[in-house]
Amino acid sequence: IQLTQSPSFLSASVGDRVTITCRASQGIRSYLGWYQQKPGKAPTLLIYGASTVQSGVPSRFSGSGSGTEFTLTISSLQPEDFVTYYCQHLNSYPPAFGQGTRLDFK
Amino acid sequence: QVQLQESGPGLVKPSETLYLTCIVSSGSIRSGTYYWTWIRQSAEKGLEWIGRISTSGSPNYSPSLESRVTITKDMSKNQFSLTLSSVTAADTAIYYCVREFLGPYNYFDSWGQGILVTVSS
Repeated sequence: IQLTQSPSFLSASVGDRVTITCRASQGIRSYLGWYQQKPGKAPTLLIYGASTVQSGVPSRFSGSGSGTEFTLTISSLQPEDFVTYYCQHLNSYPPAFGQGTRLDFK
Repeated sequence: QVQLQESGPGLVKPSETLYLTCIVSSGSIRSGTYYWTWIRQSAEKGLEWIGRISTSGSPNYSPSLESRVTITKDMSKNQFSLTLSSVTAADTAIYYCVREFLGPYNYFDSWGQGILVTVSS
């Protein structure tokens, strides 16, 4: 199963609402997670089960979708959100990650 | 809160074997709620799942690496290890040890800081 994220790069401003899309090459029900990675750090879990926000993650992050199309939405960008985001499936093994979406300041 | 810490050499010669260890603290690898996993990240391939080991000791490996990978665990030391044989420059990456939570939806909930491994003569 392959995951394709779009866009690969996204320019936005603080306060903007942004959406990142992840498409799976075949249906994965809701077995999708979203991770955030800051420069020089390991990824951290934002969302699992496509829409469940991990404990401690700000409420501005939300996820939706099932089957083959999923979205990560950040409702109001904060300065610390301008980093890279990955989707990842665990519908079957081996798990796979999307190629990443880098969020840059406009 | 569980912590994972990778250790091992930062430089490995081509054709040699890479050996990494992950020490787990503030949590037990005996817990049946988790799998213990290795993931690597490179500019060329992005994030790549290598394999995992369960509490019972059964490992699963990525098909693309299966012939070269071994993951083992040492419950007495609360750690698990990765062995990757016949390395090439393509194995240069940051290697993470990761905990996979087992639930209605599995996910990777705790990551080590990562260790950069360079394959070069």
